[in-house]
Amino acid sequence: NAGVTQTPKFRILKIGQSMTLQCTQDMNHNYMYWYRQDPGMGLKLIYYSVGAGITDKGEVPNGYNVSRSTTEDFPLRLELAAPSQTSVYFCASSTDDFWGIGNQPQHFGDGTRLSIL
Amino acid sequence: AQRVTQPEKLLSVFKGAPVELKCNYSYSGSPELFWYVQYSRQRLQLLLRHISRESIKGFTADLNKGETSFHLKKPFAQEEDSAMYYCALEPCSNDYKLSFGAGTTVTVRA
Repeated sequence: NAGVTQTPKFRILKIGQSMTLQCTQDMNHNYMYWYRQDPGMGLKLIYYSVGAGITDKGEVPNGYNVSRSTTEDFPLRLELAAPSQTSVYFCASSTDDFWGIGNQPQHFGDGTRLSIL
Repeated sequence: AQRVTQPEKLLSVFKGAPVELKCNYSYSGSPELFWYVQYSRQRLQLLLRHISRESIKGFTADLNKGETSFHLKKPFAQEEDSAMYYCALEPCSNDYKLSFGAGTTVTVRA
């Protein structure tokens, strides 16, 4: 059971280039999230999705786009890479609260370390 | 907007000593609080959440609404507790969006 899989693990981009960070989960989770973590800081939510075809902005969405065409996949796109987007990116997923015991935990991928030079 | 503060970036304790990681939050409502942990070479994972009132790996955390705190405690630290710990807040039950603290790196020395 792979859980949440992120690719690539590392990437170096030049300013102005574009790329897509891939995220896929095999747990049939409805909810998926993208976070970024800058050095010495906590994770900040970029975008999230509550199901296929539904996405919404998080705390720091500028410079990013997402799509959710399937339950499994939630890619994050950088259109014009900027040095400020150098960070570690985490994808996560979670399921609904079926049992009334509070929100289910988020399951995280290994992260993608992105440097923009 | 909510905010989570972990005042200690680094915490070093000896094996067998008590360890307490501080977490303070600011939020006007009744949030749900979590502790996530990342061990070396492993993924970030849930350690415990306040609503479950459980003890995981000997750790407990009590939500103090008066002091807006959710400190994580363990009476006798073990070397395998060395990890990065993050406190996280969810504004309300159906929000699903976490706000994380900056994290505390715990080192347990033999």
